[in-house]
Amino acid sequence: QKEVEQNSGPLSVPEGAIASLNCTYSDRGSQSFFWYRQYSGKSPELIMSIYSNGDKEDGRFTAQLNKASQYVSLLIRDSQPSDSATYLCAVNPGGSQGNLIFGKGTKLSVKP
Amino acid sequence: NAGVTQTPKFQVLKTGQSMTLQCAQDMNHNSMYWYRQDPGMGLRLIYYSASEGTTDKGEVPNGYNVSRLNKREFSLRLESAAPSQTSVYFCASSESWLAGGGEQFFGPGTRLTVL
Repeated sequence: QKEVEQNSGPLSVPEGAIASLNCTYSDRGSQSFFWYRQYSGKSPELIMSIYSNGDKEDGRFTAQLNKASQYVSLLIRDSQPSDSATYLCAVNPGGSQGNLIFGKGTKLSVKP
Repeated sequence: NAGVTQTPKFQVLKTGQSMTLQCAQDMNHNSMYWYRQDPGMGLRLIYYSASEGTTDKGEVPNGYNVSRLNKREFSLRLESAAPSQTSVYFCASSESWLAGGGEQFFGPGTRLTVL
């Protein structure tokens, strides 16, 4: 069973701090990795995708991938109360599989 | 562009009733997906359509059927609703199934309650 694991949280950080969200996956052959943000009562919104080892930055967001350790992380710099949401990690298993396997999400709370 | 649209937004059914959830995308995507999201369970894939004319089962297909009507539309049917199908249903689409797992874009969801 291919799995994607995340701490459920809640993760609480003060406004302006760096929020660090982590994700591990079980399938070593996984090829593509995604972070989605989901506000309460809303649908998941894609915020980052990463395909190769290392860091990928987009504004205040940085995704980090380490395939050897089967680990993906999302850093949010200068966290704002509007970043308060559940963050979903999703992994494509690769090979002939085009579907995504989602983690259960980490709830982030940014306190003013 | 509207992206991915879903109808209805809310629905209440009685056990045994049937209904069809509609999904449409205007991004010219080849692949479409149906998920359900339950508290503590995360997003689980029900069915997917890798390309127009094909459909396949996902992780939790029992009690559901799908139709890929054309490239734009992908519907999900509950033939005889059960309380266990109370959930939030999301439709998603991606450019391609085979591009190493493309970025998926989600519709606003349908909140279904089965009494």
